[in-house]
Amino acid sequence: DQQVKQNSPSLSVQEGRISILNCDYTNSMFDYFLWYKKYPAEGPTFLISISSIKDKNEDGRFTVFLNKSAKHLSLHIVPSQPGDSAVYFCAAPETGTYKYIFGTGTRLKVLA
Amino acid sequence: NAGVTQTPKFQVLKTGQSMTLQCAQDMNHNSMYWYRQDPGMGLRLIYYSASEGTTDKGEVPNGYNVSRLNKREFSLRLESAAPSQTSVYFCASSLTVTKGYTFGSGTRLTVV
Repeated sequence: DQQVKQNSPSLSVQEGRISILNCDYTNSMFDYFLWYKKYPAEGPTFLISISSIKDKNEDGRFTVFLNKSAKHLSLHIVPSQPGDSAVYFCAAPETGTYKYIFGTGTRLKVLA
Repeated sequence: NAGVTQTPKFQVLKTGQSMTLQCAQDMNHNSMYWYRQDPGMGLRLIYYSASEGTTDKGEVPNGYNVSRLNKREFSLRLESAAPSQTSVYFCASSLTVTKGYTFGSGTRLTVV
């Protein structure tokens, strides 16, 4: 049973436009979410997080939105740049543990 | 730079061979993790260590063993490698669950 789901394996966006990456979860007890970015041949790096007490968190061009009633979060990148081309993972910590559960990732390609 | 160091970066094994993947972090983090990344599967937890002296199984522990040698080091051992263990392996560490992970750059393992 996949508790964190990214249903779009890939996404292509024109440079300068908005990229929207989606993530759904099944466990209503999750209270914290993170997004990671991964370039080829590198480890994932932390991008942005959001606590369940908020519905939005913004950091420069990156904004994460959380809809708790829908168990859905999304990452918006505005404007998208070619350097944003990477695989993006959403993740949530398993309640009461030190473990993060990751989605399967979405490969974003920003076209110049 | 401070971070998580994994060795080796690449390895080819024959079926049945054994090897140990090394991981060390210099951030004084309490928790350490081993993940594998496979196409379409995202990041799956193999083993983790919440603190020095403790280890626990993750989602896919079969065929692996781990050792938390000290606070800095967490190794992953394949006793008898199988082709199904061909993957990219990432080590990670964290200070608290809400701070997210710092990942190493990965070990690409091929078992033939």
